[in-house]
Amino acid sequence: DSGVTQTPKHLITATGQRVTLRCSPRSGDLSVYWYQQSLDQGLQFLIQYYNGEERAKGNILERFSAQQFPDLHSELNLSSLELGDSALYFCASSVTDRAVEQYFGPGTRLTVT
Amino acid sequence: AQSVTQLGSHVSVSEGALVLLRCNYSSSVPPYLFWYVQYPNQGLQLLLKYTTGATLVKGINGFEAEFKKSETSFHLTKPSAHMSDAAEYFCAVSTTNAGKSTFGDGTTLTVKP
Repeated sequence: DSGVTQTPKHLITATGQRVTLRCSPRSGDLSVYWYQQSLDQGLQFLIQYYNGEERAKGNILERFSAQQFPDLHSELNLSSLELGDSALYFCASSVTDRAVEQYFGPGTRLTVT
Repeated sequence: AQSVTQLGSHVSVSEGALVLLRCNYSSSVPPYLFWYVQYPNQGLQLLLKYTTGATLVKGINGFEAEFKKSETSFHLTKPSAHMSDAAEYFCAVSTTNAGKSTFGDGTTLTVKP
């Protein structure tokens, strides 16, 4: 158990819908990272927040957005969902804003039908 | 910019045989290097990491990796494979300038009895 929690574990929704994925980092970690894992794209970095502020952006679509709240939990919002958004979404956390050691959550499996 | 190449998407070894998973990286600044393991339907678990100092790094479950700057490599080895080592392994690179990690495409390790 890494100490990073993600909810829900599984999510099934239809195209065009909007969903919110939630992540709670390890106690004491200030940085949260979101990754998407799919069969065709592999493990792709989406976005990083550090202490409430966006720190780095990767291959995140405009339909996707994220935020980190004062209690340091983070939410990833996916809208206008397409079949290709079906993937495992991982959250990771680290103490600093440098990914020297990241701890990964168990992931949320999103299926878009 | 940074990138990772894992040579061989699938590696199969017999139980008790040497495990060698290959990783080459590209980075314009000194890298941080990582190996993660992912078991089915689980998140990524950190096996070992190299940041600075000793180039031979020992990790959990008997794995080790050697940072070779001249070869830009960070291959993962284990002297004797166990059935429980069957999983997907990811090599990743980060740098002091970047918050995110860049992951390779992964190598699936199969261990035959």
